[in-house]
Amino acid sequence: GEDVEQSLFLSVREGDSSVINCTYTDSSSTYLYWYKQEPGAGLQLLTYIFSNMDMKQDQRLTVLLNKKDKHLSLRIADTQTGDSAIYFCAVDPGYSSASKIIFGSGTRLSIRP
Amino acid sequence: SQTIHQWPATLVQPVGSPLSLECTVEGTSNPNLYWYRQAAGRGLQLLFYSVGIGQISSEVPQNLSASRPQDRQFILSSKKLLLSDSGFYLCAWSPRTGVSEQYFGPGTRLTVT
Repeated sequence: GEDVEQSLFLSVREGDSSVINCTYTDSSSTYLYWYKQEPGAGLQLLTYIFSNMDMKQDQRLTVLLNKKDKHLSLRIADTQTGDSAIYFCAVDPGYSSASKIIFGSGTRLSIRP
Repeated sequence: SQTIHQWPATLVQPVGSPLSLECTVEGTSNPNLYWYRQAAGRGLQLLFYSVGIGQISSEVPQNLSASRPQDRQFILSSKKLLLSDSGFYLCAWSPRTGVSEQYFGPGTRLTVT
């Protein structure tokens, strides 16, 4: 089955760009998602990209998809303290009739002043 | 617009007591529904999902059960709680057709003592 991997921690300086990386195993994956979870809260859908796209930009967020390497990244420009959270990559493997998506274990982003 | 509610927000229960967590969705029909557990603020474990009233699929064997008595209501239950049932429980919904994105509720923090 699909496996989704993320590094556990990332620390960046306020104002710099953050790049959170994710790798997945199933080449038939259709939709790929990024979620944000603030402390004590549910997950918030940030953005998603369809597998026939290479890039998607939404304000400070840029998603890059390399299908050949099965690599997905989320870039946050001008990182602010409010961006501190856990970021989850999630992948739709394309074979579930119940829209089950597979989540990575999350990357905790911390911001240094 | 669609909203998803979970209650209670927090719960402290003794070992061996019963459990009932409720999730309701507004503003959509025939959603797919999901229960996840998150331990120690990390990755998500899919517990149950449902594609319709009375249709429940279990992802992992455990001390919990789920029911869907109405189209937009999803209930997580246990007859006797274990210490290992402590965690953050998240309910999510996704549209029955189209993009597979999932939308999460605010979660229930369960502590079993």
